[in-house]
Amino acid sequence: DAKTTQPPSMDCAEGRAANLPCNHSTISGNEYVYWYRQIHSQGPQYIIHGLKNNETNEMASLIITEDRKSSTLILPHATLRDTAVYYCIVRVSGGYQKVTFGTGTKLQVIP
Amino acid sequence: DTGVSQDPRHKITKRGQNVTFRCDPISEHNRLYWYRQTLGQGPEFLTYFQNEAQLEKSRLLSDRFSAERPKGSFSTLEIQRTEQGDSAMYLCASSRQQGGYEQYFGPGTRLTVT
Repeated sequence: DAKTTQPPSMDCAEGRAANLPCNHSTISGNEYVYWYRQIHSQGPQYIIHGLKNNETNEMASLIITEDRKSSTLILPHATLRDTAVYYCIVRVSGGYQKVTFGTGTKLQVIP
Repeated sequence: DTGVSQDPRHKITKRGQNVTFRCDPISEHNRLYWYRQTLGQGPEFLTYFQNEAQLEKSRLLSDRFSAERPKGSFSTLEIQRTEQGDSAMYLCASSRQQGGYEQYFGPGTRLTVT
C-alpha cells in the first residue's frame, strides 16, 4: 500500500466546511483513495473512496487531483459530531485487502 | 443490517490469564478481520478470514494469540498468558467479497492487563 501524509490536527468552526488534505505521491495506478474516521472510543467508520474522479455521498465529498498525488476530503457543514480522527488510506481494490492505517488527522470542530 | 458487534466491550485481566473475545460480523459478509489499536495509533492488522479459512496472519500475532471462525460466521480471538503489552483496543471488521470492499468495524473490545 502507498504511504500517505496527513496533518496531525486541524480545527474547523461548526457549520463551516472542513477540508482535510492527504498526500499520496507514490500512489499506483490501481490504488484507490479511501477515507475512514474514528470517533473517540468507537471503531473506525468508512466514509468514502475513489479512484480518480471526484466522489460524493451523503457524508462527504472526495476531491482527487488530476495527477492523483493528493486528495481532499470535504465535510460540507461540519458539526460537533464530526470531531474525530480521519484516516486517509490508499490501497488496491479487489480481492482481500487489509487496511493499513497511519496516525490520521485529528479534526476538532469548534462551537 | 445490524452492524458488527463485539463482546465484551471491556475486559480487565491479570497478567498471565487467558482472555477470549467474540466478534459477530454483518450477516452477509464473508470476510472478517481483526485489528489491534494502542493509544494514539491507528489500528494495526492482525489477521483475516474468508469464510472459515484464516488466510493471513500478521507477525504481530504471536504464538500466544489464536483466532478462529469455525462456521464462517462469528469469530473468536484468544490471548493466552496475557502480558501488559497486550493492553489495547481489539477491533473486528467485516466486508463483502464483492463490491467496494469497504470494511465495517465493530465498537471494539478494550483490554487492560494489570
